[in-house]
Amino acid sequence: DIQMTQSPSSLSASVGDRVIITCQASQDISNYLSWYQQKPGKAPKLLIYYASNLETGVPSRISGSRSGTDFTFTISSLQPEDIATYYCQQYDNLPLTFGGGTKVEIK
Amino acid sequence: QLQLQESGPGLVKPSETLSLTCAVSGGSVSSSNYYWGWIRQPPGKGLEWIGSIYYSGYTYYNPSLKSRVTISVDTSRNQFSLKLSSVTAADTAVYYCARRRSAAPFDYWGQGTLVTVSS
Repeated sequence: DIQMTQSPSSLSASVGDRVIITCQASQDISNYLSWYQQKPGKAPKLLIYYASNLETGVPSRISGSRSGTDFTFTISSLQPEDIATYYCQQYDNLPLTFGGGTKVEIK
Repeated sequence: QLQLQESGPGLVKPSETLSLTCAVSGGSVSSSNYYWGWIRQPPGKGLEWIGSIYYSGYTYYNPSLKSRVTISVDTSRNQFSLKLSSVTAADTAVYYCARRRSAAPFDYWGQGTLVTVSS
């Protein structure tokens, strides 16, 4: 199985701050990496696919990038509506696997 | 707009079989190049892929659950189902159904249904 190591597990930032979450794959997954946002009591929502492509309707303050087996999710200016838990997921190989999640809170 | 809706018992006894159904509207489970899957999330924990079924009926299961999982599709009712046998308290989770295209992530999700395993 491909292990997805996501960090940090939680973070606290102020409105307007830049927020960075990383996800490291245990082997090469090319760009087959997605990011989801999950708010309490809700299903995950797809934000980014193929490492850096924004799903329709996702604000441009959100971005994703890849460097080898390291993936980065960035919120350029944190907004109150971004409070959620974020998950990465690889879809290069079965079984599909998720990172452990990052809970983002407002300071 | 595609919609998925999970249904099934919210309480299952240990050692019994968990059975859930995902009704699909606004699209067809018979559409080519789509996989229909199940993902679960124990309370306060992360996401775990259970398995998926291709529109043709071919199934893919997480090896960690493979011996206990069966996913099937009912094209006449436009729905697909999950059965998980010999459940224990560790199977208590919110169960989501979702859709993905080939070589793509899950783009549509159901709202999720909490299943508690308890006597």
